[in-house]
Amino acid sequence: NAGVTQTPKFRILKIGQSMTLQCTQDMNHNYMYWYRQDPGMGLKLIYYSVGAGITDKGEVPNGYNVSRSTTEDFPLRLELAAPSQTSVYFCASSYLEGDSGNTIYFGEGSWLTVV
Amino acid sequence: RKEVEQDPGPFNVPEGATVAFNCTYSNSASQSFFWYRQDCRKEPKLLMSVYSSGNEDGRFTAQLNRASQYISLLIRDSKLSDSATYLCVVKPPFRGSYGKLTFGQGTILTVHP
Repeated sequence: NAGVTQTPKFRILKIGQSMTLQCTQDMNHNYMYWYRQDPGMGLKLIYYSVGAGITDKGEVPNGYNVSRSTTEDFPLRLELAAPSQTSVYFCASSYLEGDSGNTIYFGEGSWLTVV
Repeated sequence: RKEVEQDPGPFNVPEGATVAFNCTYSNSASQSFFWYRQDCRKEPKLLMSVYSSGNEDGRFTAQLNRASQYISLLIRDSKLSDSATYLCVVKPPFRGSYGKLTFGQGTILTVHP
């Protein structure tokens, strides 16, 4: 009953370091997404993927990269971490586009602090 | 004007109270609307979709007013367990929007004994 699994749950990075947030889903969903949520704000889309080998930018892609080599996995890479990337990151997936009847399922979130 | 705007609250209500949240959206062509619930330090979860005719799920009623471009969520007989942040979510109207959902900043609800 895993759904969407993200790791790590918590991480502290130093400015300039790089890291990868891992995301995997076991629901055979075609669509996967990475969102970030800053305190008191709504979620903003970083990158999304409509299937293996296909990725595209969302609203706030700068400073991030993604890949989608398999249907299950959608890692998010932070290069040269900056304090502005301190946030909560949510990976999500859906069978089709996130529309009524096609619920988006979120992972539990990854709390990232850049110091 | 923000694409999706909510009153951040917080709303503090006693158990058993009725509380309503509104949310306005800027794109008049938007077609799909949702309310998500987010518990503290947890992921958002779909509470209910919002249909043009309005819809009800137990103590929760969602309404859509296209003319005024707002959606609402009414919670009757509030429970302590209803305490959470409620996110208004709007999907762009065009095909290929691929989950580019627009989230409001959320309304915080606290239900007290």
